[in-house]
Formats: sequence, C-alpha cells, structure tokens
Amino acid sequence: DVKVTQSSRYLVKRTGEKVFLECVQDMDHENMFWYRQDPGLGLRLIYFSYDVKMKEKGDIPEGYSVSREKKERFSLILESASTNQTSMYLCASSPREWLYGYTFGSGTRLTVV
Amino acid sequence: EDQVTQSPEALRLQEGESSSLNCSYTVSGLRGLFWYRQDPGKGPEFLFTLYSAGEEKEKERLKATLTKKESFLHITAPKPEDSATYLCAVQAIWGGGTSYGKLTFGQGTILTVHP
Repeated sequence: DVKVTQSSRYLVKRTGEKVFLECVQDMDHENMFWYRQDPGLGLRLIYFSYDVKMKEKGDIPEGYSVSREKKERFSLILESASTNQTSMYLCASSPREWLYGYTFGSGTRLTVV
Repeated sequence: EDQVTQSPEALRLQEGESSSLNCSYTVSGLRGLFWYRQDPGKGPEFLFTLYSAGEEKEKERLKATLTKKESFLHITAPKPEDSATYLCAVQAIWGGGTSYGKLTFGQGTILTVHP
C-alpha cells in the first residue's frame, strides 16, 4: 500500500526551539506539500516542492522553512517555535500529473508551550 | 485569490436521512475540484475529482456534482460510518499554464450520522 509517512504523530516543544517535521513518501511522486490545519480555518498551504531542491512558498510561509534533498523526503522546519504554531501539520504528495488527488500522511499534532 | 467556502459547517443526520453538502468556489481558472473525507486524527482521504460543469461522480452512497460556481456532495441513505469531515478543494490554472498541483481547501463540513 502506498504511503506518506510523517515521523511523529504527537510532538510537544518549547517556545524558541527549532523543530523539524519529517515526511517520507514511497510513491516516487514529484510534488510534495506541507499544510497546517486549524479549526475553522481549514487546510492552509505552508510550502510545496515540485522537484528535488526546489521549493515554493505557499499562503502562510512566515516562520517556516523547508528542505528537500531527496525526492522521497520533505522536511518542514520551524526556525523558532512559537505558541501560534500549535497546530496539526499535514504532509501530502502527488504525481506531476495534476489529474490525481493528493495522498496525505496521518498528520503531526504539534503543541508549542 | 482562490476561495472555497463550504456549508454547512456541521450537519447532523439520522441514519437513512439523505442530504447534501455545498462547496462554493471562486477561482481564476478551474483545473479540477476535489472532495476528500477526513476521519478524526487522520489525514484526508481522496474521494473524487470533477473537471467540468455538469460532471458527476459516484461512490457507494456519495455523489458529487459540479457547476460553474459550486459543487454538491449528495449523501443518500447515510450510515453512521459515513460520519467524518468532508473537505472540498480547488486546483487552479497556475504559473503561466503550468500546474504543480497546488490545492486551495475549504474549511470542511463535519457530518455526524446517528443510528
């Protein structure tokens, strides 16, 4: 079964810490995405990548950065975690062909205290 | 800016009581409209893609339809296992005709089906 795997389901970090969220897909997909999901706001795109070492800002990139050194792995970095970054983070991937929907990971619920 | 609005925010149904969820959208040029299902604590699961007005897709008790301004997800004779959050998303023509698959999501409709 094809999968998008996020390294942690739950994470608690302190304000000011540097936080790494990891995502790995085994479908050889070109596109990978990071979203955050908050009640009443839906899913909002943070960053996406359409190829190795390529990245594009989404709608809410402030306070985040990303890294894609290998095709299968896309990392989200919170440079200095803040309480307003407490959220559910979802990674997704898709093939370059736009007709197909995303495959999502199970999410990482991050709490910043 | 692309926008997606879903209504209602929450819907409670009795088992067997059919209803519809609405997804209204504004987008410069629509490549596709997507429906997802999300269970608590899990990532969204792909249901349908609709490409053009008038198109319909069906899967078990779910039927999705598309017009130029909105999409409906019709649920016929729902069962408790249909309880979930249903998400709608649009994919716009982007980047000078090149699309990398960026989706804009609505806030979702939380469906609860009581036995």
